[in-house]
This record gives sequence, C-alpha cells and structure tokens, in this order.
Amino acid sequence: AQSVAQPEDQVNVAEGNPLTVKCTYSVSGNPYLFWYVQYPNRGLQFLLKYITGDNLVKGSYGFEAEFNKSQTSFHLKKPSALVSDSALYFCAVSGLSGSARQLTFGSGTQLTVLP
Amino acid sequence: DAEITQSPRHKITETGRQVTLACHQTWNHNNMFWYRQDLGHGLRLIHYSYGVQDTNKGEVSDGYSVSRSNTEDLPLTLESAASSQTSVYFCASSEQQSTGELFFGEGSRLTVL
Repeated sequence: AQSVAQPEDQVNVAEGNPLTVKCTYSVSGNPYLFWYVQYPNRGLQFLLKYITGDNLVKGSYGFEAEFNKSQTSFHLKKPSALVSDSALYFCAVSGLSGSARQLTFGSGTQLTVLP
Repeated sequence: DAEITQSPRHKITETGRQVTLACHQTWNHNNMFWYRQDLGHGLRLIHYSYGVQDTNKGEVSDGYSVSRSNTEDLPLTLESAASSQTSVYFCASSEQQSTGELFFGEGSRLTVL
C-alpha cells in the first residue's frame, strides 16, 4: 500500500524568507509524486509533479520540489515566500490501481506567510 | 472553458435521509473520483470510476454509492446519512492515461444533524 506523511500540520514563515513544506512517501516501484494547493473554500489545484528525470522539479507560482530517493522525500520549497502563498498544501503519491493511477494524499500542511 | 462543477455547494440534512451530491465535468475525462476532506485526515478516496458503467470502492466507501451512466457525471449518494458523514466532499477527474494529475471541483459541504 502507498502512503504519504506530512509531519508538520502548520508552517509559519516571514514574507521574503525561504519556505519548506516537508513530505515523505512510501510506495512500491518508482514513485509519481505531486503537490497540490488549496485556498480557502476552493478545490485543490495542481502545483507540480515528479515522474522521472531531474530531481528538482519546478512548478507554478515559483514553487519547486526536490525528490530524494534515498530519503523517500519530496519537500516543497520556495526561495522567497509571499503572503499570498498562505494556503493548505497537500503532498500526494500516485500508484497503479488496475489500468489507471490513483492518488493517495497526505494530511496537509497549513502554510502561513506573515507580513 | 472546460470545468468540473459540484452541487449543491452547501447542504444541511438530517440523520437517516438520503442525499445525493452531483458532479459534472466537461473535460471529457474517463476517470472520476470522489474524496472527502476531514481535518487531520487530508483527502480520502470514497469511490472512483474509470469509465461509463464502471465504479469501484475506495478507502472509505461504506455508506456511499455512485453510478456512472455517462462520461460527464458521477453522482455520489448517501443512502442513509449519518453524523459521521459530515464533511467536505470533492469530486475530481483525470484523463484516461493520466500520470495522476487531477482536476478538482469546488467542493460540497455537507452537514448531517
């Protein structure tokens, strides 16, 4: 069975500082990894994904994530946080189920960027 | 623009009543999913469908059912609503050969009293 852990329920960071939201995963075979963002009263939006290739993946809104196979991690990062980045962030891993892939989500990390 | 819409966005019902949440997508996606979102649990998969007439149980399917009579719609039915089913429900869809990228609706907030 596949699983995702987000060890921090809440991350606070000052505007302009770098941010990291942590994620570790467990899956059989090669992992497909994702980050989604949820703004208040909205559905989840895709940010970025790792399938194969370069371990550093770049996504929307200046976010990037680093895949580390030995540590089974896929941390989300941004060099300079904005107040508008404040949202709920979900890490997810995709595994094969029959002929299609299913996502398993972590419990989410609330990011608050302080002005 | 293609989209995925859920209705109603908010509903209050009583224990024991049947409730149906609608999901309609215009992406022409084969894959559709229903998740529930609860504090501390993230999103948990309820049911999913890979095409017309195909439905499958997810992680937390007890008390829920779905049907897929066309590509666009996957309604979620709570046969006899329970207080434990108070939650926010999200519908999502993806392409047949998707690597896992999902397109989500705005969510339906259900309160069971």
